[in-house]
Amino acid sequence: GQQLNQSPQSMFIQEGEDVSMNCTSSSIFNTWLWYKQDPGEGPVLLIALYKAGELTSNGRLTAQFGITRKDSFLNISASIPSDVGIYFCAGSYNFNKFYFGSGTKLNVKP
Amino acid sequence: GAGVSQSPSNKVTEKGKDVELRCDPISGHTALYWYRQSLGQGLEFLIYFQGNSAPDKSGLPSDRFSAERTGGSVSTLTIQRTQQEDSAVYLCASSFLRTSFSPIQETQYFGPGTRLLVL
Repeated sequence: GQQLNQSPQSMFIQEGEDVSMNCTSSSIFNTWLWYKQDPGEGPVLLIALYKAGELTSNGRLTAQFGITRKDSFLNISASIPSDVGIYFCAGSYNFNKFYFGSGTKLNVKP
Repeated sequence: GAGVSQSPSNKVTEKGKDVELRCDPISGHTALYWYRQSLGQGLEFLIYFQGNSAPDKSGLPSDRFSAERTGGSVSTLTIQRTQQEDSAVYLCASSFLRTSFSPIQETQYFGPGTRLLVL
């Protein structure tokens, strides 16, 4: 079956530091998505990627769709306390089914 | 406008009982997804509805799980003879019907989830 590996599982960083997390898949995707989930809430879409090699930014967030179509990374620059949460990657081949990573829990110390 | 809503927000049930979870998608969204999220885990795809097409049920973990979508809007996820391993947060998401390759149309909006605890 489809395997989606997300790392790191958790991060403890100081406010102002940059953060990087990534996901790798056992097979190719046509779409990579990055979500943030706060406690008790559903995930909220941060960035969507639709083309291999695509690099997309959303404020302090930057994500890339890997050339091999089997990986993606998310960078957060100059982290702030409200960046705390769990970040999920998700991939899809045909938009019918989305596979999610196990999440990266981000902790930011003020 | 209103987002995706789910009810109940919390459900505690006894092992062996049936439960029904409800999802109200965003008005006009024709695609609807159900996911399950166990504690500290990512989301596990369960089922996908798109317009009037037959649903993609490939993610349902057993035949105790079923889902319906009436009138192309509200959806219910039913779990029969619940087991303790069914305890999880059940999340619903909706999006626009994909008629062309457009990033905006593919955004899934998630509801807050139903927290199910099977004792």
